[in-house]
Amino acid sequence: KNEVEQSPQNLTAQEGEFITINCSYSVGISALHWLQQHPGGGIVSLFMLSSGKKKHGRLIATINIQEKHSSLHITASHPRDSAVYICAVRSVKGGATNKLIFGTGTLLAVQP
Amino acid sequence: DAGVIQSPRHEVTEMGQEVTLRCKPISGHDYLFWYRQTMMRGLELLIYFNNNVPIDDSGMPEDRFSAKMPNASFSTLKIQPSEPRDSAVYFCASSLSWTLAWGHTVDTQYFGPGTRLTVL
Repeated sequence: KNEVEQSPQNLTAQEGEFITINCSYSVGISALHWLQQHPGGGIVSLFMLSSGKKKHGRLIATINIQEKHSSLHITASHPRDSAVYICAVRSVKGGATNKLIFGTGTLLAVQP
Repeated sequence: DAGVIQSPRHEVTEMGQEVTLRCKPISGHDYLFWYRQTMMRGLELLIYFNNNVPIDDSGMPEDRFSAKMPNASFSTLKIQPSEPRDSAVYFCASSLSWTLAWGHTVDTQYFGPGTRLTVL
């Protein structure tokens, strides 16, 4: 079982829909990252969370440390949001606090 | 700042050849990471450095892989000899870490554009 699980693996939405991508993890962490990988391959860091909620434009990320779960929400989705969204946790296992463990990603396609 | 710079962007080589990937981190960042991305395994951390010192290389697949960081502005990932299963996109990322009041060390990693390696 992967230490970081994302769901769904694939998601197709219509423009304007509210989108939720989920991430669950099984290890102790000091922070959680949401990354976006564009079709061209470039990776952008969207959020870094250690508690609560963060908002950036139409993107909202939440984390529940007790439940070891995070969600990424996209409001009023647009075709340019089409990308792979990757959850990554900063594990504290073994004392190595700067090692990122990645989920397998969620492929989002927003259709016009 | 130009961001994290990687070269080459694409590399095609034959099995058995030596491959060297290069990375220039963002100036002032004290952490540098090398990742590999494949369809089968997704993103994987290979090795990371702090202040030019390798901290965790447990992700390096085997002895054919080596990484160096001779100074704060340059790192290399070398594969010798290369094999077809090494074909992947290799990302370099850098970050500047800080410790929060409650003792957690967190940072935002900035990724380079990646090097697409194809080993024939």
